[in-house]
Amino acid sequence: DAGVTQSPTHLIKTRGQHVTLRCSPISGHKSVSWYQQVLGQGPQFIFQYYEKEERGRGNFPDRFSARQFPNYSSELNVNALLLGDSALYLCASKSTGVEETQYFGPGTRLLVL
Amino acid sequence: DAKTTQPTSMDCAEGRAANLPCNHSTISGNEYVYWYRQIHSQGPQYIIHGLKNNETNEMASLIITEDRKSSTLILPHATLRDTAVYYCIVRPFRTYKYIFGTGTRLKVLA
Repeated sequence: DAGVTQSPTHLIKTRGQHVTLRCSPISGHKSVSWYQQVLGQGPQFIFQYYEKEERGRGNFPDRFSARQFPNYSSELNVNALLLGDSALYLCASKSTGVEETQYFGPGTRLLVL
Repeated sequence: DAKTTQPTSMDCAEGRAANLPCNHSTISGNEYVYWYRQIHSQGPQYIIHGLKNNETNEMASLIITEDRKSSTLILPHATLRDTAVYYCIVRPFRTYKYIFGTGTRLKVLA
């Protein structure tokens, strides 16, 4: 079975540009979450979407936005990129039920110059 | 949200058991303990989770103390491929958000 997939794997942008990252969840999973991981730190929660609705947002500026499509795939958009946005961006999909284990994708490494 | 405390780093000899501790003294009764590991900037890999009882799967065992204020992840026979950062996470009931700490950097030595 395919796990969570993300694209692209690597990306280089310059300050002020916009970026779109994509995620496809595990088949049957309806929830997708996004995390940012800066070098040397643990992942930080950005968003969660369930059934195309935003269910939670972390402490990130409005430059960060996301959406979920009818097939449950998701996009993370970041506008007006800053050097500090350079990070590994992780997508996780979640099974339903009480125990709700999240499974992470390989991530997209974004470098902002 | 319950916080977790883990040692920054640990070493373990190959073939020996690796015991990774986690303190979560503010855990509530309906909060699960999850363990993930991350190998060299790949995505975090799910290992195991539990609520009250000890759990075992093909990767590891999870021992949760009776008062649930701490837990230990046990890799029974560590290999070089188990070298990774291990994260202990307490997930609040019916929430979506994992709060990661800095984890324990486990180095398995040949």
